[in-house]
Parts: sequence; C-alpha cells; structure tokens
Amino acid sequence: LAKTTQPISMDSYEGQEVNITCSHNNIATNDYITWYQQFPSQGPRFIIQGYKTKVTNEVASLFIPADRKSSTLSLPRVSLSDTAVYYCLVGEGPSGSARQLTFGSGTQLTVLP
Amino acid sequence: ETGVTQTPRHLVMGMTNKKSLKCEQHLGHNAMYWYKQSAKKPLELMFVYNFKEQTENNSVPSRFSPECPNSSHLFLHLHTLQPEDSALYLCASSGGGLYNEQFFGPGTRLTVL
Repeated sequence: LAKTTQPISMDSYEGQEVNITCSHNNIATNDYITWYQQFPSQGPRFIIQGYKTKVTNEVASLFIPADRKSSTLSLPRVSLSDTAVYYCLVGEGPSGSARQLTFGSGTQLTVLP
Repeated sequence: ETGVTQTPRHLVMGMTNKKSLKCEQHLGHNAMYWYKQSAKKPLELMFVYNFKEQTENNSVPSRFSPECPNSSHLFLHLHTLQPEDSALYLCASSGGGLYNEQFFGPGTRLTVL
C-alpha cells in the first residue's frame, strides 16, 4: 500500500477555496486516489476518487498531475461545517473486492468565520 | 444515513467484563471491516471480512474476537480488555458503491475502566 504524506493542519476562512495536497511518490500503476472526510466522533465519509487528470463532483475537485505522485483536493467556498479531518488514501480502485485502507494522520482543516 | 448502523453507541465496561459490539449494513455489500480509532490517532484497521470469510487480522490481540454470521452483520466480542483499549470502534462495509468506497457507521465509543 502506497504511503501518503499530507499537511497536519490547515486554517481557512469562510468563502475561500481550500487546496489540500497529498504526496504519494510510490503510487502503483493500478492505484487510485481517494479522499475521505471525518467529523469528530463520526466515521469517515467518502468525498472523491480519481486516477488521473481532474475529477469534479458536487462537493470537491481532485487534481492529479501526469506523474500521479501527488494529488490536490480542492474545496470551493468552504463554510464552517467543512471543518473536519481530510484523509488521502492510495490503493486499488473500484474492483469490487474487499479493500484494505490505510488511513494516515490526515489533515485537520479548520474553517474560521 | 449511511446505511451502516452500530450498537451500542456508547459502552463503559470493566476489565473483567464481556461485551459485544454489533454492526449491521443494509447496503448489499459483501465486505465488512472493524477499525479502531484512539484519541488523536489515525484509524487502525483491525479485521476484514469478505463474503463472511475473514481475510485480514492485523495483529489484533485475542481479547478482540470478531464474528461475521452473514454478509449483513458483524460483531466484535470483547473480553478482559485493558484501559488502553478505550477508543472509538468503527464498522464499515463496501462492495456496492461506484468507487467501491467504504461506508462507515457512527461508531461505538468504548471506555474501559
């Protein structure tokens, strides 16, 4: 399982765009990049997944450069409710089999008024 | 509502007690997982079940005993726990989402006295 490195914490203000970068230098050819969000005392929640280039959904965008050794989660116009821990994970994609996920320390995002 | 439920939500037990945590998913998933999250620490994967068969046991002490009677139910039997076992225990399932993402339950907050 590829190791990931993220900033421990980030602060932002309401209405700003937040970009969280994750490094995964030893990502394998078949690996996908997945981001989860976790609020205190709750289980993580899936945000977005991608393999290359750019993926966008109603919540966030995921930018993956050509070498795939890093990725950036972009949250547009954050609000106070986006304060949470964000995890970047690298591993096999939607193959349907049971998956082992290795959660690192994540990035604690704090949105300030 | 994630479709994954856990009971009880809170549990306080003595070191000599025997208790069980229950997880149930109605998402039609084939894989289920137990995670442990201690305060200020990353999630630790404990057990993985795929189609009711245990496929992973990440060096978990024998005082934690999982049981998976069918693909919808997962139990974690606890006996002679230690105070350092106090944590948030999270159950997850996967196998039906577009991205094969894991859906987490709300967790059981366990305190061992």
